[in-house]
Amino acid sequence: DTGVSQDPRHKITKRGQNVTFRCDPISEHNRLYWYRQTLGQGPEFLTYFQNEAQLEKSRLLSDRFSAERPKGSFSTLEIQRTEQGDSAMYLCASSLQGVKFTEAFFGQGTRLTVV
Amino acid sequence: SQELEQSPQSLIVQEGKNLTINCTSSKTLYGLYWYKQKYGEGLIFLIMLQKGGEEKSHEKITAKLDEKKQQSSLHITASQPSHAGIYLCGAVTTGNQFYFGTGTSLTVIP
Repeated sequence: DTGVSQDPRHKITKRGQNVTFRCDPISEHNRLYWYRQTLGQGPEFLTYFQNEAQLEKSRLLSDRFSAERPKGSFSTLEIQRTEQGDSAMYLCASSLQGVKFTEAFFGQGTRLTVV
Repeated sequence: SQELEQSPQSLIVQEGKNLTINCTSSKTLYGLYWYKQKYGEGLIFLIMLQKGGEEKSHEKITAKLDEKKQQSSLHITASQPSHAGIYLCGAVTTGNQFYFGTGTSLTVIP
């Protein structure tokens, strides 16, 4: 499978614990996005990278959230001191930047439950 | 505030009926994408529209883009239970960010 893959698919954690998610984009894609989706809502933009540079961060991304893409390939999203409100589906997507925008390809998501 | 508003928010139709979902942008569109999502799963790309007046089809699903109105519509012909899910429009607007619409939940009754 050469699509976007995310790991883990599901994560249950106790409030206050730290969690880290991983996203492996399509290999030739230089853009990588993170979104958060809560039940009944559309995905909300969190941040995106072009290669290893983090170009944009949403105000939704509090100080407890940090994302990295150290070598311009896979990315990690870490949430520190998780809260119940962090429970959501975290989606990763990748795309190519070019003269015309191409569709972003999405992973299956990581479902986080904070208990 | 939402960049992209979808209507209706939810839709319940009888199998075999046609339906339309709308997506309206508050900003200039630089491409409009439609996705489908089943509960708890990732997004499935359906159709991409890049030019005003463009119309594309994917199986029984047709999407159109009205650039002047900053609006797109998704039309499903002869709906089937397999069409059930959440339909999301997505777009690149000014600022080079990709935003999603509010989503439309579709239920198809056999």
